[in-house]
Amino acid sequence: DGGITQSPKYLFRKEGQNVTLSCEQNLNHDAMYWYRQDPGQGLRLIYYSQIVNDFQKGDIAEGYSVSREKKESFPLTVTSAQKNPTAFYLCASSMAASSYEQYFGPGTRLTVT
Amino acid sequence: GESVGLHLPTLSVQEGDNSIINCAYSNSASDYFIWYKQESGKGPQFIIDIRSNMDKRQGQRVTVLLNKTVKHLSLQIAATQPGDSAVYFCAETGRAGNMLTFGGGTRLMVKP
Repeated sequence: DGGITQSPKYLFRKEGQNVTLSCEQNLNHDAMYWYRQDPGQGLRLIYYSQIVNDFQKGDIAEGYSVSREKKESFPLTVTSAQKNPTAFYLCASSMAASSYEQYFGPGTRLTVT
Repeated sequence: GESVGLHLPTLSVQEGDNSIINCAYSNSASDYFIWYKQESGKGPQFIIDIRSNMDKRQGQRVTVLLNKTVKHLSLQIAATQPGDSAVYFCAETGRAGNMLTFGGGTRLMVKP
């Protein structure tokens, strides 16, 4: 089956700790994205990557970091600098340049206490 | 700045009725629009899309209408079923690099 996987589904961390969220896709898509979703709200773009070894900040990148060492993987690190890290995190991918349609993973719910 | 918004945050319909979910957009340069469905605790799923050179597109039980004059997008679901209960997002492109701008979402509740 082709698709996007995110793990884990639920993640709990203590304040002050960095945490890395996994995102893997086997769709052979060039572009990958990370979004944050807060309760009752839409999606806000954190980071995106159009190609391996390249990524750009989205609208709310502060307190987050990413890497894109492999085409199929785009991990997101939520650092201790992120003031309100508790949220639902969604990863997506798309064929770059020619397609706007983004395919989403199942999401990771991060709770920081 | 550009924004995508929705008129009704919650829509409750009877099973079997038709549903209409509305979305207003502000970026007249957007050339592509998508409707996504998000069930509780899951990622959004693509429903239907429409390009700005069209005013209507139909899928299976769903129709998207685009009115560029008033910058309005709607999603019509025919014979709404309990499985249609979800939050629906519209998204537009108007930003460089295939970036989508998402609206805040409308929750559709289907009463049996």
